[in-house]
Amino acid sequence: GNSVTQMEGPVTLSEEAFLTINCTYTATGYPSLFWYVQYPGEGLQLLLKATKADDKGSNKGFEATYRKETTSFHLEKGSVQVSDSAVYFCARNHAGGKLIFGQGTELSVKP
Amino acid sequence: GAGVSQSPRYKVTKRGQDVALRCDPISGHVSLYWYRQALGQGPEFLTYFNYEAQQDKSGLPNDRFSAERPEGSISTLTIQRTEQRDSAMYRCASSFDAGGQGANMVYEQYFGPGTRLTVT
Repeated sequence: GNSVTQMEGPVTLSEEAFLTINCTYTATGYPSLFWYVQYPGEGLQLLLKATKADDKGSNKGFEATYRKETTSFHLEKGSVQVSDSAVYFCARNHAGGKLIFGQGTELSVKP
Repeated sequence: GAGVSQSPRYKVTKRGQDVALRCDPISGHVSLYWYRQALGQGPEFLTYFNYEAQQDKSGLPNDRFSAERPEGSISTLTIQRTEQRDSAMYRCASSFDAGGQGANMVYEQYFGPGTRLTVT
């Protein structure tokens, strides 16, 4: 099938801690992969994307590498800030460009 | 420029009533997508349009749900005879095009703020 699974939250970290949010996907073929972020009270925003194997997407200090061999697209950041507190969604695309999302991981960063 | 807008932002309706949710995409965007998001879950695809043509409605849960985009711009998602299980956030997104195979054919979807529907 076609699905996306990400680690359950909430994840609570102290400021400047290292962040990893795991994401794995199932797919026929080679989808493009995305991380979307939803800040409190706001809509979904694209954070980063990767369109082929071994691509690394990056933005705002966040990175994720498209790993075909492990069907994974884990999100990482070396030093989180309070302002990174949000819900993060991993997604893959499918026919017609529609997105298939994971269930979301809530991140809370404490000062 | 203006982003994707949705109206109303909040809708409370009684069970059995019909509701219409509106999406105004970014000007010039060919593709428009509807998603539904339950609390604590990721968005789930409902349907999408290229211009005025509905390309895929496989995600619509049943025949009480319908959508249209008659002039290839604004879209309306209609839910007839609403039920409590229809309560959710309904999200609209638009993109330059639907894209296709190949890394250079992936277009970002821009999401609106959503309509929070509550059926009592």
